[in-house]
Amino acid sequence: AQRVTQPEKLLSVFKGAPVELKCNYSYSGSPELFWYVQYSRQRLQLLLRHISRESIKGFTADLNKGETSFHLKKPFAQEEDSAMYYCALWGFQKLVFGTGTRLLVSP
Amino acid sequence: DAMVIQNPRYQVTQFGKPVTLSCSQTLNHNVMYWYQQKSSQAPKLLFHYYDKDFNNEADTPDNFQSRRPNTSFCFLDIRSPGLGDAAMYLCATSRELAGAYEQYFGPGTRLTVT
Repeated sequence: AQRVTQPEKLLSVFKGAPVELKCNYSYSGSPELFWYVQYSRQRLQLLLRHISRESIKGFTADLNKGETSFHLKKPFAQEEDSAMYYCALWGFQKLVFGTGTRLLVSP
Repeated sequence: DAMVIQNPRYQVTQFGKPVTLSCSQTLNHNVMYWYQQKSSQAPKLLFHYYDKDFNNEADTPDNFQSRRPNTSFCFLDIRSPGLGDAAMYLCATSRELAGAYEQYFGPGTRLTVT
């Protein structure tokens, strides 16, 4: 079975500081990994996916198969980045989510 | 221009009293999913429909059922809610059943069981 672990429930940083939200996974096959985000009073939405290798709102995430990780990074956090972030893995025809990390960016 | 709509947003039901949650979509997607999310936990897939084909997760309790009368609508029925069923219920859709296709989520229905 696939599993996604997000070790931090809360990450609090100051505006302008670098951010790294950790995600580790276990899966027997070739994983497809995603980051979903939920801003206050908004619905859960896709932020980025590893196959696209894109940067969205300044965030990037690199799949490291050796370390089975897919950490989300941003060099300079903004207040509007404050949200709940979920790492997710697609496998066996379903999306499995981690428990999420709340990012709080203070001015 | 909401794409995935859930009604109601808040639902209070009594212990053992059947309840139905509703989801509709304007995206014409083939797949509709229901997730359960308890406080501080990950969203957990209950089941999904691919068109009319129903797929139940192995660990979804029998108490939970679903109906999809047409492409646009999908319902979650809880036959005899227990206190442990209090949660946020999320509906999502995707064009196809594959990781390459983004899932679009509704705002959720928060269920309280008294």
